[in-house]
Amino acid sequence: QKEVEQNSGPLSVPEGAIASLNCTYSDRGSQSFFWYRQYSGKSPELIMFIYSNGDKEDGRFTAQLNKASQYVSLLIRDSQPSDSATYLCASSMHGYALNFGKGTSLLVTP
Amino acid sequence: GAVVSQHPSWVICKSGTSVKIECRSLDFQATTMFWYRQFPKQSLMLMATSNEGSKATYEQGVEKDKFLINHASLTLSTLTVTSAHPEDSSFYICSARGHPGTGELFFGEGSRLTVL
Repeated sequence: QKEVEQNSGPLSVPEGAIASLNCTYSDRGSQSFFWYRQYSGKSPELIMFIYSNGDKEDGRFTAQLNKASQYVSLLIRDSQPSDSATYLCASSMHGYALNFGKGTSLLVTP
Repeated sequence: GAVVSQHPSWVICKSGTSVKIECRSLDFQATTMFWYRQFPKQSLMLMATSNEGSKATYEQGVEKDKFLINHASLTLSTLTVTSAHPEDSSFYICSARGHPGTGELFFGEGSRLTVL
């Protein structure tokens, strides 16, 4: 069973703070990892992906991957109320569909 | 990023009727599309992989005769929910892979189906 685990939250952070979202996966064959943001009633939108160990930065977002620990995280710096959403972590083997976690609800308070 | 368009966004139908949902890749060719279903406060569950010019591959527990998938061209995949029942009410989302090398999926807007 390929599983991606996330804490459902809600994770509440004040505006301007760093939000840290975590995810673990069970399938060691997973090669690529993705973070999506989903607003209520809307379709997921891709934030970033990562497939190498270490950090990958894109604007206010940093994805971190540790394959030995089977751990993926997403850091959001300078959190804004508009960042309030559900964040979905997903894993994939090359060429296959993505396997999603249940998502972490993030609430950024003004 | 790649654009995937899905239609209709909302559909309400009576129990026993069939509903067709279209998924189009607007600026790229998608040999493979994926259909997901999402119940409230749940994650996306893969239903099937749609392959252009061949039969779809269904995930375990998904009835292929109930959820008909057709991928007739490189830019269009359709999902037909046949003889819909209230338990089929859900958010159906299609997706396509924009760049084969990196594997990220781009999602359509989703179709919310309500079966009365």
